[in-house]
Amino acid sequence: DGGITQSPKYLFRKEGQNVTLSCEQNLNHDAMYWYRQDPGQGLRLIYYSQIVNDFQKGDIAEGYSVSREKKESFPLTVTSAQKNPTAFYLCASSIRGSGNQPQHFGDGTRLSIL
Amino acid sequence: AQKITQTQPGMFVQEKEAVTLDCTYDTSDPSYGLFWYKQPSSGEMIFLIYQGSYDQQNATEGRYSLNFQKARKSANLVISASQLGDSAMYFCAMRGLTGGGNKLTFGTGTQLKVEL
Repeated sequence: DGGITQSPKYLFRKEGQNVTLSCEQNLNHDAMYWYRQDPGQGLRLIYYSQIVNDFQKGDIAEGYSVSREKKESFPLTVTSAQKNPTAFYLCASSIRGSGNQPQHFGDGTRLSIL
Repeated sequence: AQKITQTQPGMFVQEKEAVTLDCTYDTSDPSYGLFWYKQPSSGEMIFLIYQGSYDQQNATEGRYSLNFQKARKSANLVISASQLGDSAMYFCAMRGLTGGGNKLTFGTGTQLKVEL
C-alpha cells in the first residue's frame, strides 16, 4: 500500500543534542512538508520541498534543518538551537502544483526532552 | 497572508444527530482551496473533504458536506448521522492556488465528542 512512513514514533532528546526524524513516502509525490503541532494547537509549517534538492523555510524554521536528496525521503533534524522542541511532528506529501489535491500525512513522531 | 479561524474549541453531539463545525477564513488570494481534516487521538491526519473557491456546488463526501459561503468567507463542515467513531479533532485548512507552493494554513481545530 502507498503511504507515508514516519519513524520513530517516539523520540527523546537530551539537552544540546541534535535528533533526526525520518519521513519516507512511496506515493511518487514531488512535494513534501514538515509540520509541528503543539497541544491544543493547529499545525505550523516548518519546511517544505517541492522538488528534489530544493526546499524552503516555512513559518517556524528556526532551529530545524532538512535535506531532500531523494524524492522519497525528507528527513527533519531538530538542532540544539531549537530551545523548545517538545511537540508532535507530522510529515506530509502531495502532488506538486495541484491545488485541489490534499496533502497526505504520516502517523507522526512525538519528540520529548529528557 | 492567509488565516483560518475555528471558534469552537469543543463540541458535543448525540449519536445519529448532525453537527456543524465552523470555519472562517481570510485571504487576499483570488483563487484558493479549503480542506477539512480529522485527527483521531492516535494522531494521524485524515483528509475528509475539499472545496475550491470557484466551485459552483458545495462539496459532499459521504456523511460530510461543506457549507461554503464565499461572501461570508465561511466553510463550515457538516457531519450527518454522527457516529461514535467521529469523535476526534477536526481542522480546517486553506491553500492559495495562485503563486508558489502548496502550503496549507491550518486553524486551531475543534474537538468533537459524540455521545450515546
